[in-house]
Amino acid sequence: DTGVSQNPRHKITKRGQNVTFRCDPISEHNRLYWYRQTLGQGPEFLTYFQNEAQLEKSRLLSDRFSAERPKGSFSTLEIQRTEQGDSAMYLCASSQAGRGEAFFGQGTRLTVV
Amino acid sequence: AQRVTQPEKLLSVFKGAPVELKCNYSYSGSPELFWYVQYSRQRLQLLLRHISRESIKGFTADLNKGETSFHLKKPFAQEEDSAMYYCALSLNNAGNMLTFGGGTRLMVKP
Repeated sequence: DTGVSQNPRHKITKRGQNVTFRCDPISEHNRLYWYRQTLGQGPEFLTYFQNEAQLEKSRLLSDRFSAERPKGSFSTLEIQRTEQGDSAMYLCASSQAGRGEAFFGQGTRLTVV
Repeated sequence: AQRVTQPEKLLSVFKGAPVELKCNYSYSGSPELFWYVQYSRQRLQLLLRHISRESIKGFTADLNKGETSFHLKKPFAQEEDSAMYYCALSLNNAGNMLTFGGGTRLMVKP
């Protein structure tokens, strides 16, 4: 599968623990996006990178959230001190600069208990 | 701020019936509009975009700037069209970040 890859697919964690998700975009794509999707809602934008630069962050991204894309390839999204409200599907997408079509991964489903 | 509204959470039709999934947006500029689809157990994928003005799997969508709408239509629904459909807009000068509507679940009954 040469599409966007996300790991892990599922994560169950206890409240207060830290979690980290990984996204591997399509190799020639220089833009990478993170979205969050809660039950019954559409995806909500969190942040995006162009190459290694984080160019935009949503107000949804609290101080407990941090995203990196150190070499302009894969990206990680870390949530510190998880809360039950963080339970959601975290989606990663990638695209080429200047084109609106984004290709999505299958997501990481986080459950905070 | 931009906003996308899909007024129907669920749309149920019989096979062969026409389908229209509604999408309204609010944005004062000229956004780019998309329809994304998610079939059961599959990832979100692009169905069509307004600038392409093409028909994909029999679906079409016309951007109506006067009514700020981008409704998705298909004249004859098929069972395999059953899925979640999301309307989204992108601000062309904002890194192509997408603002999604809440989604409409289309169920096509045999």
